[in-house]
Amino acid sequence: AQSVAQPEDQVNVAEGNPLTVKCTYSVSGNPYLFWYVQYPNRGLQFLLKYITGDNLVKGSYGFEAEFNKSQTSFHLKKPSALVSDSALYFCAVRRFINTGTASKLTFGTGTRLQVTL
Amino acid sequence: EAGVTQFPSHSVIEKGQTVTLRCDPISGHDNLYWYRRVMGKEIKFLLHFVKESKQDESGMPNNRFLAERTGGTYSTLKVQPAELEDSGVYFCASSQERGPNREQYFGPGTRLTVT
Repeated sequence: AQSVAQPEDQVNVAEGNPLTVKCTYSVSGNPYLFWYVQYPNRGLQFLLKYITGDNLVKGSYGFEAEFNKSQTSFHLKKPSALVSDSALYFCAVRRFINTGTASKLTFGTGTRLQVTL
Repeated sequence: EAGVTQFPSHSVIEKGQTVTLRCDPISGHDNLYWYRRVMGKEIKFLLHFVKESKQDESGMPNNRFLAERTGGTYSTLKVQPAELEDSGVYFCASSQERGPNREQYFGPGTRLTVT
């Protein structure tokens, strides 16, 4: 079985400060990890993913995430937060089955990011 | 390129009634997924189509839920009869990949309220 934990329901950050949204995962084998963001009244938008290679992956809107295999974590980060980053963020994991098989995503409960002036 | 679309955006029904949700994936995407988020909880997988075939329906909660994807294009998810615990946001997603390393593209969701 695979699972994702997002330990913080909400993260509050002042604009211009760095932000971190935490995510840990559990999966058998190699994980494929994703971050999605949901703005109010919108669907989930893909931010970034880790498949293999460099542990630091860069994504949309200046976000990046660091894969840490020993800590089974994939924390989302941004050096300087914007008020417009305020949204709901979901971490997700996918188990590798084989190169020809697509499979479901397992999500965390989401973390609400609130960036204030 | 049009994204994933879902209809309706909101639905309010009474317990015992029937509701049908529709999802139109991105054109050419063979993989179609249904997920559900109940208030404040994680987004949970319901099922996965590859073209018109059900690849994985392990997340379907019970036999009151019926999903179809005739012709391998759009999909419908019917809840009959609806119960209070079925309330939540139902998301549809699609992807084109043959492997697991591609992201899924999500629709805006259908908010279902059962009263």
